Amino acid sequence: AQRVTQPEKLLSVFKGAPVELKCNYSYSGSPELFWYVQYSRQRLQLLLRHISRESIKGFTADLNKGETSFHLKKPFAQEEDSAMYYCALKIGMIKAAGNKLTFGGGTRVLVKP
Amino acid sequence: DTEVTQTPKHLVMGMTNKKSLKCEQHMGHRAMYWYKQKAKKPPELMFVYSYEKLSINESVPSRFSPECPNSSLLNLHLHALQPEDSALYLCASSQEVWRAQETQYFGPGTRLLVL
Repeated sequence: AQRVTQPEKLLSVFKGAPVELKCNYSYSGSPELFWYVQYSRQRLQLLLRHISRESIKGFTADLNKGETSFHLKKPFAQEEDSAMYYCALKIGMIKAAGNKLTFGGGTRVLVKP
Repeated sequence: DTEVTQTPKHLVMGMTNKKSLKCEQHMGHRAMYWYKQKAKKPPELMFVYSYEKLSINESVPSRFSPECPNSSLLNLHLHALQPEDSALYLCASSQEVWRAQETQYFGPGTRLLVL
């Protein structure tokens, strides 16, 4: 069965420092990876999709199929980046799996002034 | 309207009560989802509806009964719940179910406490 692992429960960094949130997945086929974010008292929302190769709010994430990883990075963290971040995996292009997202355990990021 | 709304925000119920959670979206999405999120844990999928038909049931106990009366509305009927069912119940929607890289849009959740 597919699995998503986020090894860090909490990441605490100073404003302006780089931040990297690790995400590893286990799935032998063609995965679809996402990063979702939940700011304090707000709803869960999409941050990034691997297929888009985009940078959102300064964050980027690269899918490394060899290492089965999808780490999230930002070179200069801001206080408003403090939130809970979830890596999520959807098994790609298998109709039976539908749009089933499997979430990692989450990493809480705290950016200190 | 580009949001998923959920009512009520909070719900307290006894183990013999019957209650319902409601989720609504007016984005024309054809897929809707129920997730359960326990404290300090990630969301776990419960049900997926595609074009108003149940397409995925993640072996959820029958005391949870989903219903999709139309393409904009998703209900979760609760009956004879247990205290361990206390959690945040999240609704989400997406344009389709089967399309690659489909974004799911989440509601704010209903916080349920079963006494």
